[in-house]
Amino acid sequence: DADVTQTPRNRITKTGKRIMLECSQTKGHDRMYWYRQDPGLGLRLIYYSFDVKDINKGEISDGYSVSRQAQAKFSLSLESAIPNQTALYFCATSDTRQGHYEQYFGPGTRLTVT
Amino acid sequence: DQQVKQNSPSLSVQEGRISILNCDYTNSMFDYFLWYKKYPAEGPTFLISISSIKDKNEDGRFTVFLNKSAKHLSLHIVPSQPGDSAVYFCAASARAGGTSYGKLTFGQGTILTVHP
Repeated sequence: DADVTQTPRNRITKTGKRIMLECSQTKGHDRMYWYRQDPGLGLRLIYYSFDVKDINKGEISDGYSVSRQAQAKFSLSLESAIPNQTALYFCATSDTRQGHYEQYFGPGTRLTVT
Repeated sequence: DQQVKQNSPSLSVQEGRISILNCDYTNSMFDYFLWYKKYPAEGPTFLISISSIKDKNEDGRFTVFLNKSAKHLSLHIVPSQPGDSAVYFCAASARAGGTSYGKLTFGQGTILTVHP
């Protein structure tokens, strides 16, 4: 079984709809991250959480919100989706005890907003 | 402002030859650097890393070189194999603090194609 899972893997939604992307991990890591990947722009950090009570904005947090329901779960919400949020979204984890730099990624969610 | 840049969007190499992927950074607080590899329909996977106290780190066919004065790092793959064909991302982090502490900043990625 995969250590970091993301659901759904693919999603098509309409402008204005609320959508939630979910991430779960079995690695026991304390840190979790949400990124989006766009062609030519690499991976950009949306939100990150160093533990359940610590949530921080990344470089492109506008239009997004997150919830850390438990150490193993970190969800990303688009309150009112817009077409320029069409992208590939990745969740990642890291472990403070292991130096936290190496991040482990889920398989990604391809989101299309029409 | 792109703090980590990979200026070559793509690289094509013959099997058995050396692949050299380059990465430049601007933030002098960065002191730890990583390379990730990404296949289609999969998440990025960690490949190799280097601390700023070193100038070279080797792991099998993969070697990362760091030139701190030039704020430049490179990934060498020798010999290149068709299975190495993927997107390669460099990433940087700051251990000493500042706004980059505990986070990774990624470059745009380079698509490597290794021809048989």
